[in-house]
Amino acid sequence: RKEVEQDPGPFNVPEGATVAFNCTYSNSASQSFFWYRQDCRKEPKLLMSVYSSGNEDGRFTAQLNRASQYISLLIRDSKLSDSATYLCVVLIGGFKTIFGAGTRLFVKA
Amino acid sequence: DADVTQTPRNRITKTGKRIMLECSQTKGHDRMYWYRQDPGLGLRLIYYSFDVKDINKGEISDGYSVSRQAQAKFSLSLESAIPNQTALYFCATSDGPTYEQYFGPGTRLTVT
Repeated sequence: RKEVEQDPGPFNVPEGATVAFNCTYSNSASQSFFWYRQDCRKEPKLLMSVYSSGNEDGRFTAQLNRASQYISLLIRDSKLSDSATYLCVVLIGGFKTIFGAGTRLFVKA
Repeated sequence: DADVTQTPRNRITKTGKRIMLECSQTKGHDRMYWYRQDPGLGLRLIYYSFDVKDINKGEISDGYSVSRQAQAKFSLSLESAIPNQTALYFCATSDGPTYEQYFGPGTRLTVT
């Protein structure tokens, strides 16, 4: 079993739609969680950190469920520019970073 | 100017050649990382360094070596390149307390 698992998608949604991604992790010692965005052939860029209380940044909302060991990312009012691959990232023990393989999103006009 | 830079951005080399990829950062971070990315496999950690005197192997270090010349510089070497090392290579940096990683633009390496 992979340490961090994501649905690879692709998710194809129309502009304005709401889309949600889930990510599960297997190591209960995981301490920090992040969502990154990666455009084709470009470097991953931090989208947001995920806090236990949940956090929101504009149209993006991240949630953490430690008991079930999953993280979610909700994107509201999708834009064409949201088309990208979204990477779930887990930090274990302060030094081991595990990246999920990513979920591809295509937003259509 | 970019906070994390990588050189070269693209490289084509032949099997058996030695090649070095370089990474520099101006973020003042202590931690630096080298990853490779292959289609469908996500990012995999090659080596990481928590300071100039600390070098650690990642999950796929065979065939690679690294050097941390200074806090700001971390280079990756392929001693004898082979075709299955063809990939996109990323350098990243991080620092406490949250250890969010910041990536360079990547080096696209092709080994023929």
